[in-house]
Amino acid sequence: DAGVIQSPRHEVTEMGQEVTLRCKPISGHNSLFWYRQTMMRGLELLIYFNNNVPIDDSGMPEDRFSAKMPNASFSTLKIQPSEPRDSAVYFCASSKGGASNEKLFFGSGTQLSVL
Amino acid sequence: KQEVTQIPAALSVPEGENLVLNCSFTDSAIYNLQWFRQDPGKGLTSLLLIQSSQREQTSGRLNASLDKSSGRSTLYIAASQPGDSATYLCAVSDYGQNFVFGPGTRLSVLP
Repeated sequence: DAGVIQSPRHEVTEMGQEVTLRCKPISGHNSLFWYRQTMMRGLELLIYFNNNVPIDDSGMPEDRFSAKMPNASFSTLKIQPSEPRDSAVYFCASSKGGASNEKLFFGSGTQLSVL
Repeated sequence: KQEVTQIPAALSVPEGENLVLNCSFTDSAIYNLQWFRQDPGKGLTSLLLIQSSQREQTSGRLNASLDKSSGRSTLYIAASQPGDSATYLCAVSDYGQNFVFGPGTRLSVLP
């Protein structure tokens, strides 16, 4: 199995630009999570989907952030417009889900730098 | 609101030592607890998952225990090796699949 695949690995952009992060979960997993990791705040849950439906987006910082999961094998996290304080590592994770007694599998992350 | 803390923040030990990492959480109404390993520049790898009804889980040289009533978990690493050097994070989930992570313990095992 290829694991959770994220792209791009690194993204450098200027303030005000739109940024789109992509994730392909493990085949057969029906829960997908987006996390953000910073030195100051650690690992924070932004949003998670179950069977392609957003279940909890209370961690999404503000309206500039949006996430979609159009099908079971693809999700995007979009930031528009981006700001320097959005600089962080963004992780996607998936699990077999439903009940949360399943291990989380993480992608390698996208390192985002907003200048 | 669930809060997870980990002690110590960093730990340095000589190779071969047995060590214990600690995790505390404020709300005992958890569904499960997971221990993860994170190498620099990489994603997290789940090491052990303990369901709320269980007391411990073992995998190789790793043993994780859970005391839900006191809000504590420990990760025991036996006979540590330089390859064990990484950051170890614990995470607890509620019934809504909201995983809350601790800040991690950065472990260095010196050869």
